[in-house]
Amino acid sequence: EIVMTQSPATLSVSPGERATLSCRASQSVSSNLAWYQQKPGQAPRLLIYGASTRATGIPARFSGSGSGTEFTLTISSLQSEDFAVYYCQQYNNWPPLYTFGQGTKLEIK
Amino acid sequence: EVQLVESGGGLVQPGRSLRLSCAASGFTFDDYAMHWVRQAPGKGLEWVSGISWNSGSIGYADSVKGRFTISRDNAKNSLYLQMNSLRAEDTALYYCAKEGYSSSWYYFDYWGQGTLVTVSS
Repeated sequence: EIVMTQSPATLSVSPGERATLSCRASQSVSSNLAWYQQKPGQAPRLLIYGASTRATGIPARFSGSGSGTEFTLTISSLQSEDFAVYYCQQYNNWPPLYTFGQGTKLEIK
Repeated sequence: EVQLVESGGGLVQPGRSLRLSCAASGFTFDDYAMHWVRQAPGKGLEWVSGISWNSGSIGYADSVKGRFTISRDNAKNSLYLQMNSLRAEDTALYYCAKEGYSSSWYYFDYWGQGTLVTVSS
């Protein structure tokens, strides 16, 4: 089983600054990596798939990078609406198997 | 507009069963794989189970294997999760999620609002 580890657990950043979130896989997942944002009381929202492709309607300040076992989500200039919990997720094709990281809470500094 | 509406949650005693449903609309249901994801109170996301468009490929998390059964009815645009031998640790908000794909990448592009399952005596 592939284990996804996110760091840090909590990240405190001021509005307008850059945030960098990390996700590590216990073995290579190629670029089968997605990022989601979840706000309190809401369902998760897809941000990034294929490690670096923004989903429809996602602002350009969100970017993803990495492949293999190391991945990064960068938010270039934090807006008030970006403070939320972020999850990475890997995908295995057969049998269908997805694994989430434990999440990083991005809070206002 | 894509809509996923879960139902069937509630309070159930340990060891009992519950069946969740997800009604889908706004897309061609039988073109896509579907999944269940859960979130225990105050915790992170946990993938539970997934099923391919034609039910030919099914997967489960180890935590539910042998107790939960996923199924779908493409004629009714519906996804189901039969949960047996429920445990306190199955208490969670259960989301239905649509699998999207682009090139060789797969992801969950639409989510329902969830249905709450509470396992307690």
